[in-house]
Amino acid sequence: GEDVEQSLFLSVREGDSSVINCTYTDSSSTYLYWYKQEPGAGLQLLTYIFSNMDMKQDQRLTVLLNKKDKHLSLRIADTQTGDSAIYFCAESSSGGSYIPTFGRGTSLIVHP
Amino acid sequence: ETGVTQSPTHLIKTRGQQVTLRCSSQSGHNTVSWYQQALGQGPQFIFQYYREEENGRGNFPPRFSGLQFPNYSSELNVNALELDDSALYLCASSLDSGTNTEAFFGQGTRLTVV
Repeated sequence: GEDVEQSLFLSVREGDSSVINCTYTDSSSTYLYWYKQEPGAGLQLLTYIFSNMDMKQDQRLTVLLNKKDKHLSLRIADTQTGDSAIYFCAESSSGGSYIPTFGRGTSLIVHP
Repeated sequence: ETGVTQSPTHLIKTRGQQVTLRCSSQSGHNTVSWYQQALGQGPQFIFQYYREEENGRGNFPPRFSGLQFPNYSSELNVNALELDDSALYLCASSLDSGTNTEAFFGQGTRLTVV
């Protein structure tokens, strides 16, 4: 079945850039997503990219997609302490009725 | 605030009992999806309801069942609770069962089975 892999932890200093990486196995993935989950909260969709794109930028967030390597990354510029959260990568395809398959999440810790 | 509300926020049940979790969709949304998020894991899809009909199901046993009402609110029912059912249960509402790009999640219900 489909699989989405992420590293579990990332620690950065406030003001630096954070890069969270994700790999997936489903070559028919149509949409790739990044969600943020703060403690005790549900998921917040941060951004998504369509599979025919290789980059999307939205303010401090940059998503890069390497479809050949099935690699997705999320770059957060000027990381702030409020960015500390768990970030989930997810993919969906028409074959799966666009139901997203999530990775285990990357815990981003931002320290002063 | 996403407009999706879940109740209760926390719940403790005993193994073998039954539980009902509730989700109120964002206004205008006719599709609700339910997910189970075990500790340290990503959300796992349970099922989706579109206009009161089940519209897809993940790899969960039949003791996980659901309902969607005419006002598009939804319930998740779990019978014969097991310890492994302890998790955060999330619902997400969207307009039509489309690409999920406009799905909004509630804050979840934390279920503990003892």
